[in-house]
Amino acid sequence: NAGVTQTPKFQVLKTGQSMTLQCAQDMNHEYMSWYRQDPGMGLRLIHYSVGAGITDQGEVPNGYNVSRSTTEDFPLRLLSAAPSQTSVYFCASSYSTTDTQYFGPGTRLTVL
Amino acid sequence: QKEVEQDPGPLSVPEGAIVSLNCTYSNSAFQYFMWYRQYSRKGPELLMYTYSSGNKEDGRFTAQVDKSSKYISLFIRDSQPSDSATYLCAMGLGNQGGKLIFGQGTELSVKP
Repeated sequence: NAGVTQTPKFQVLKTGQSMTLQCAQDMNHEYMSWYRQDPGMGLRLIHYSVGAGITDQGEVPNGYNVSRSTTEDFPLRLLSAAPSQTSVYFCASSYSTTDTQYFGPGTRLTVL
Repeated sequence: QKEVEQDPGPLSVPEGAIVSLNCTYSNSAFQYFMWYRQYSRKGPELLMYTYSSGNKEDGRFTAQVDKSSKYISLFIRDSQPSDSATYLCAMGLGNQGGKLIFGQGTELSVKP
């Protein structure tokens, strides 16, 4: 199993650009989530999904969109990038909502 | 006030020392408690997962939960340089789709 994979590893955007961060898992997990990690802030939940076709907002959802058309994939879209979205983004998945969450390697995003 | 408070450190100890990492929380509804370890530029990986008050041991690691005091701890015995990482506590409510609330993380350095 590859586990949780994320692409790209690094990305630099200009303010106002849009992009999609990709996340995929091959463990047949129902639950997937996106976090951002900023210095001194820990990990904060952006959006999550409890299954294909079902998504919900986390703690810091503004400026981000998600969709879940398949069990395997959970892309995160930045609609109009802002410098405040400079962060490291982690995708995670688990078998159920209370099971261990497995994290991907992260995407380092810089918005200029 | 943050729901979960964790001293960010950094904490530096000599090899072989006993390390104590702690988190406090304000929401008495948290049902499960986790400790994640995160090496530099990597995704977090689960170390310990507990549901109830008391101690749980796994090798050199012991997780302790005191729900009455809203306090959790992670103890590392015989610390090794390979334990140098950031340690994150996380807590979940169980009935909110698997959302985890993370502490800020404590940066630990074990010197040979």
